[in-house]
Amino acid sequence: GNSVTQMEGPVTLSEEAFLTINCTYTATGYPSLFWYVQYPGEGLQLLLKATKADDKGSNKGFEATYRKETTSFHLEKGSVQVSDSAVYFCALVGGRGSTLGRLYFGRGTQLTVWP
Amino acid sequence: GAVVSQHPSRVICKSGTSVKIECRSLDFQATTMFWYRQFPKQSLMLMATSNEGSKATYEQGVEKDKFLINHASLTLSTLTVTSAHPEDSSFYICSAWNSRTDTQYFGPGTRLTVL
Repeated sequence: GNSVTQMEGPVTLSEEAFLTINCTYTATGYPSLFWYVQYPGEGLQLLLKATKADDKGSNKGFEATYRKETTSFHLEKGSVQVSDSAVYFCALVGGRGSTLGRLYFGRGTQLTVWP
Repeated sequence: GAVVSQHPSRVICKSGTSVKIECRSLDFQATTMFWYRQFPKQSLMLMATSNEGSKATYEQGVEKDKFLINHASLTLSTLTVTSAHPEDSSFYICSAWNSRTDTQYFGPGTRLTVL
C-alpha cells in the first residue's frame, strides 16, 4: 500500500540554521512526491514537488530530491527564517491502482524558528 | 499557482442545524475534489473523494448521511454537515486535483464550531 513516514517534531531552530526534515515512503508503482506547508489557521500550500526518480523540487530556498533507491524525499533549507515557522507535510500521490489524485500524507512536522 | 477557494472561512452554528461549505476551483476544472478534516496539531484525515457527476466515495468510518457531498460542476463541490453536534467542530479543508499537473491544490479551510 501507500504510506508516508515523516520525521516527528517539533523542530526548533535559530534563524539561519540548516533545516532537514526526513521523509520516507512506500508506494505501488511510481508516485509523485510533494511537500506542503501549512501556516497557522490556513489550508495547505504546495511548497515543491518531484514526479520521477532523481528529480529535485525547489522553491523559496527549500529543496527535496526524489530518491528511489532509498524511497526518500527529505526536505532541506540552508538558512531558515522566522517566517518559515509552520507545519510541513510530506505526501505522495498514489501510483498504480490508487484513486486518481489521492494524496497520502505524513503526520506533519512543526517547525519553529527563533530570531 | 492554482487557486481553490472555500466559503465560509469560519462558521458558528447551534447543535442540530446543518451547515454547507463550498469549495471552488477558480482557474482549472477539477473532476475530482477531496474533503479533509483536521484536528488540532494533527495531520489531515481524508473524509471523502468527490467526483463530478457521480456519488462521492467515503472513507471508512465517515457517515455518508451526516456529511453530504455534492459535486455538481467541474468547479464546485459542497460539503453539508447535517444535524451538527459539538463533536463535529473541526477544521474542514477541501482540495481540487488538477489532472494536467497531477497536483492537488488546497482551499484555505473552514473552521466549524458547533455550540
